[in-house]
Amino acid sequence: DQQVKQNSPSLSVQEGRISILNCDYTNSMFDYFLWYKKYPAEGPTFLISISSIKDKNEDGRFTVFLNKSAKHLSLHIVPSQPGDSAVYFCAASHESGTYKYIFGTGTRLKVLA
Amino acid sequence: DAGVIQSPRHEVTEMGQEVTLRCKPISGHNSLFWYRQTMMRGLELLIYFNNNVPIDDSGMPEDRFSAKMPNASFSTLKIQPSEPRDSAVYFCASRVTGLGSPLHFGNGTRLTVT
Repeated sequence: DQQVKQNSPSLSVQEGRISILNCDYTNSMFDYFLWYKKYPAEGPTFLISISSIKDKNEDGRFTVFLNKSAKHLSLHIVPSQPGDSAVYFCAASHESGTYKYIFGTGTRLKVLA
Repeated sequence: DAGVIQSPRHEVTEMGQEVTLRCKPISGHNSLFWYRQTMMRGLELLIYFNNNVPIDDSGMPEDRFSAKMPNASFSTLKIQPSEPRDSAVYFCASRVTGLGSPLHFGNGTRLTVT
């Protein structure tokens, strides 16, 4: 039962363009959402988060959008840089309850120079 | 600042052997999580602890897997006996419980069971 889904296993984008990574979830109890970035042979590192009381959070080139009615979130990277090439995981948590973090299967982003 | 420390980085063992993975969380963090990364399931939650107490172990695949957290600065994940299908990268992560506090991951242990 995959409660957090990333349906695109890979994405290629030209340097300087926008990268959009998508994530869907099924559990309406989730109230905190995060994106992590992972390079080979390293652990995932926290990128950006959003609480369910918001619909947008921005940090530099990274913006996360949350659509609660559609149970969908997305990560926008503008402009994309070659160093952004990595695997991106979305995660969801029920912070007012179980504090359990559930991750998606990941999307491999390749930014072409 | 020391992050989450996992050992060993790589482990190669034969089927049937016992394997123990170790984790030292970030000092002051009161929640600890064990994940397994596979191609099919991504980052799969195995078990997590809050204040050294196991809260949810529903992700532990079988009785061959066990985890302990004897104190706030140390946790182990044990597989006995190991099988080739256990080959994966195992991550430990810690955080301070509370809204707005993200998980911090170690660099993982790559386990290969032959």
